[in-house]
Amino acid sequence: EVQLVESGGGLVQPGESLRLSCAVSGFTFSSYVMSWVRQAPGKGLERVSGITGSGGGTYYADSVKGRFTISRDNSKNTLYLQMNSLRADDTAIYYCARGGSGVVFEYWGQGTLVTVSS
Amino acid sequence: EIVLTQSPGTLSLSPGERATLSCRASQSISSSYLAWYQQKPGQAPRLLIYGASSRATGIPDTFSGSGSGADFTLTISRLEPEDFAVYFCQQYGNSPITFGQGTRLEIK
Repeated sequence: EVQLVESGGGLVQPGESLRLSCAVSGFTFSSYVMSWVRQAPGKGLERVSGITGSGGGTYYADSVKGRFTISRDNSKNTLYLQMNSLRADDTAIYYCARGGSGVVFEYWGQGTLVTVSS
Repeated sequence: EIVLTQSPGTLSLSPGERATLSCRASQSISSSYLAWYQQKPGQAPRLLIYGASSRATGIPDTFSGSGSGADFTLTISRLEPEDFAVYFCQQYGNSPITFGQGTRLEIK
């Protein structure tokens, strides 16, 4: 059974940092592109970052470029999102998903809530 | 960036009725890299359709996708109570990947 389990969300103040993790099981993690997709309260979906199976290629939405860093540890079957200089408009549920450019998002985690507020 | 516009914003129907949801792209989508997702409150999106018309694993045949180029449709042939949710279309063939704003399917 494929499982994606996010962790690391929470309440932080503007300008602070958080690191999200996504632990994966049920498939060969290193073979798949992975993405982080967020959803602000009551809003739509935005892919904020993606990474190739080897970790050699990354993508960032303009809204997070220079502040967020995606990475993966294929030995631990874990995806990460380091989020720095957080802003109020980063408040959202963050989902990890298997998929990316050219590959549909077939599996999603349950999401982790990030709230940026003073 | 490809903008996806979904219509209607809200669709009010009764169980047993047929639902037709539209997704229009600002430009042609390559190789029909168009997907549909269902999202219920408090849950992650669930893949329904990929490649414009292929059903994902476990999706009942009451769900069907069609279209090509820039115009796509999700049809639910006979609504069940559990089908009332928000539906998003997504294009994943061009970078950046983009989503439509969603159609809320509510019980009339």
